[in-house]
Amino acid sequence: AQSVTQLGSHVSVSEGALVLLRCNYSSSVPPYLFWYVQYPNQGLQLLLKYTTGATLVKGINGFEAEFKKSETSFHLTKPSAHMSDAAEYFCAVTNSGGYQKVTFGTGTKLQVIP
Amino acid sequence: DAGVIQSPRHEVTEMGQEVTLRCKPISGHDYLFWYRQTMMRGLELLIYFNNNVPIDDSGMPEDRFSAKMPNASFSTLKIQPSEPRDSAVYFCASSPGGQSNQPQHFGDGTRLSIL
Repeated sequence: AQSVTQLGSHVSVSEGALVLLRCNYSSSVPPYLFWYVQYPNQGLQLLLKYTTGATLVKGINGFEAEFKKSETSFHLTKPSAHMSDAAEYFCAVTNSGGYQKVTFGTGTKLQVIP
Repeated sequence: DAGVIQSPRHEVTEMGQEVTLRCKPISGHDYLFWYRQTMMRGLELLIYFNNNVPIDDSGMPEDRFSAKMPNASFSTLKIQPSEPRDSAVYFCASSPGGQSNQPQHFGDGTRLSIL
């Protein structure tokens, strides 16, 4: 079984401030982890993913996430928020070994204040 | 490259009517997924196909919902009869085959309103 928990359904940051969106996962086997972004009236788009190897993963638009096995976490960060980052962000988990269903978190809406 | 294409983008219909949502996945992708997104329940996987064959339909809410994939480039999700509680945004997604490390590519969704 696998699950993902996103802490905070809404996060507000000032433009230029650090963005930190939290994600904790549960998986009985090594996970594959994803962050997706959803802009209004659009589908989800992949920001970044962790499968194996380097635990710090860089994605598009200046976002990055670090896989921490000991903390079962995969938090998303960006050093400096931009107005265009306002969107909903979804963390997702699946498992290795052939195709497995993806479990999505409940999402975090990011508001960027000018 | 063209992404996942869904039609219509918006659908408003009356309760009891049949609704058909359409999806064209990215060429070469072996997996196709149908999701439903609502404020209350978030993003729910309804059904997914591999090579046009339904693999897991455990998320389909009830018999009023059905999905088909007659070929690699087309899928439909049908609701008959529709009810107001079916109002949601329905997404189609596709991914390359093989391993779970492949991301899913989402269409822009169909916003369905049942009056």
